[in-house]
This record gives sequence, structure tokens and C-alpha cells, in this order.
Amino acid sequence: KAGVTQTPRYLIKTRGQQVTLSCSPISGHRSVSWYQQTPGQGLQFLFEYFSETQRNKGNFPGRFSGRQFSNSRSEMNVSTLELGDSALYLCASSIGQGVYNEQFFGPGTRLTVL
Amino acid sequence: DQQVKQNSPSLSVQEGRISILNCDYTNSMFDYFLWYKKYPAEGPTFLISISSIKDKNEDGRFTVFLNKSAKHLSLHIVPSQPGDSAVYFCAARSARRSGYSTLTFGKGTMLLVSP
Repeated sequence: KAGVTQTPRYLIKTRGQQVTLSCSPISGHRSVSWYQQTPGQGLQFLFEYFSETQRNKGNFPGRFSGRQFSNSRSEMNVSTLELGDSALYLCASSIGQGVYNEQFFGPGTRLTVL
Repeated sequence: DQQVKQNSPSLSVQEGRISILNCDYTNSMFDYFLWYKKYPAEGPTFLISISSIKDKNEDGRFTVFLNKSAKHLSLHIVPSQPGDSAVYFCAARSARRSGYSTLTFGKGTMLLVSP
């Protein structure tokens, strides 16, 4: 069974640009959560999607948005990039909604903002 | 405000010895705790968990202890192996009023097990 895949794996952008990251969950998983990992803050929850609907949102500005498609694939968008957005963005999928189901993480997308 | 704290950024242990990773939390609403292990260039993988109604959970070489009164949990790895070298994240789950739940992670502890 294929694991969670994230594309691209590495990305370099400049301030003010926008970026879209993609996550394909494990087949059969309907929930996708996104996390930001930075050395100073650890892993921070961004949002969770289940059945194409955002079910939960962390404390991030509106520049961070996402969506989920009918095949459960999810995209995350960050607009007007800032230097502080440089981080590893992780996506996790689970069979059901929320963290009552085991989450399986992808390898992440390393975003560098110059 | 860091609700889940891993105060030791790193820990070095010799192979065969015990590794003890600590985690403190402040939110009394946390009802479930998890440990994840993360190797470089890979996503975190689930290691072991414990419900707030228990004080110990064991799985092979890994044991997690929970002290609710102290709001403290620890992960014991016995015996430690070089392959255990990774970053370990402590995470806690709280139930939100809406019924949806989130995971709050600590900043991680890098464990290095030397031969």
C-alpha cells in the first residue's frame, strides 16, 4: 500500500510570491491534516479536511488556505509569502476524521522563502 | 503559549542503556498522548500512545508513563539501539467543543544512540 505522498519535496520562492503544495493520502483515507514544522515551534497544526470540507483550523493567518478534492487529495496554498514561512510542511492522512484515527505522515515539502 | 513542552532539545545515550525522553503539558483537557519518531527526510511515524485513564503503556522496548497529577509523561526505550537515533515528538490530543479534535505537538527531542 503506497504511503502519503507530497509534491514537490523541495521548493524555493521569494517574498511576496504564492505557493501551492500537494498531498495525496493513502488510498481509502478520507482525512488530510496539514502541519508546519519549524525548528523554533515544532509541529503546528494548520488545518484538517474531511470529505472536501475544512473541519478544523489552527492559529494561522488567512494567507494559509487549503482545499480537498473528491478523491481526497489535498492542496495547501500560501499567499504573499514571508521569510517566516520557511518551514517543512507535513501532511497526514487518516481513515476517519480527526485524531481519533491514527495519522500517517508524508515526507513533507521543504519550503524556503528568500 | 507552549501547551506541550519537551525541555530537552537533545539526548545522547550509549547503546544498550535506557533512553528517557520527557514531556510536560499544561492543558488539563488533554485526554490522549502520543509519541512520534521522525528520521531526517521522512515524516513522523507513530510510536506509542497512552490514554489519560492509564498510567503506563508498554510495547516491546518502548514504554510510556503518564503522571496526570504532575502533567508529565515520559518515554522509556530499553535497550536503546543506534537505529533509535531520531527526533521524538510528544503530542497530546484534546477534544474540542465541536467534537473535532486536534493534536498539539512539542518541539521534539533529538535522541542520539551511540554504539
